[in-house]
Amino acid sequence: DTAVSQTPKYLVTQMGNDKSIKCEQNLGHDTMYWYKQDSKKFLKIMFSYNNKELIINETVPNRFSPKSPDKAHLNLHINSLELGDSAVYFCASSPGGGGSTGELFFGEGSRLTVL
Amino acid sequence: SQKIEQNSEALNIQEGKTATLTCNYTNYSPAYLQWYRQDPGRGPVFLLLIRENEKEKRKERLKVTFDTTLKQSLFHITASQPADSATYLCALEKTDSWGKLQFGAGTQVVVTP
Repeated sequence: DTAVSQTPKYLVTQMGNDKSIKCEQNLGHDTMYWYKQDSKKFLKIMFSYNNKELIINETVPNRFSPKSPDKAHLNLHINSLELGDSAVYFCASSPGGGGSTGELFFGEGSRLTVL
Repeated sequence: SQKIEQNSEALNIQEGKTATLTCNYTNYSPAYLQWYRQDPGRGPVFLLLIRENEKEKRKERLKVTFDTTLKQSLFHITASQPADSATYLCALEKTDSWGKLQFGAGTQVVVTP
């Protein structure tokens, strides 16, 4: 059983289109994240939800809108796609609580290519 | 500004030797430091977490040190194997920034038989 699964794995689309990426975790974790890994391989946090509540919203254009229908799911919708949005988007989860974020469990990534 | 630096050059090492990777940081006071492994086309996988008051942590053939004076962490893979070939990322977290791990760009390790 895949712990953190995201779909689709690959997305190729034209500038200006809207796309969504879905993520599900079966680990029973309270906290889920979206990270973006750019061409230079830096992983940067975009959003975090704890039990369906948005707790982290880094300076991300408002064309990006996360949605968490329940604590096992976190989706990412992107409007009006731009060339610079091309990247690999990773979903992750962590148990939450305690002094540290603790171990992050990552999905396999969704590679978005905007043409 | 806060910076995390990992050696961008790949580390080529012979099987059986010890690989040592560095993670340096500036303008940062992390309370926790983590190391992850990332294979091509895959998501990062957690390896070790070390706290600011811990000097060293071990897990099987892996060892991590954390020197808050030098602002540096060292990551060692002893008795390296070709299966250890991957990119290794360090990630830092401050006490007042729960959930916001800041990642380095990673160092690629290539272990040759």
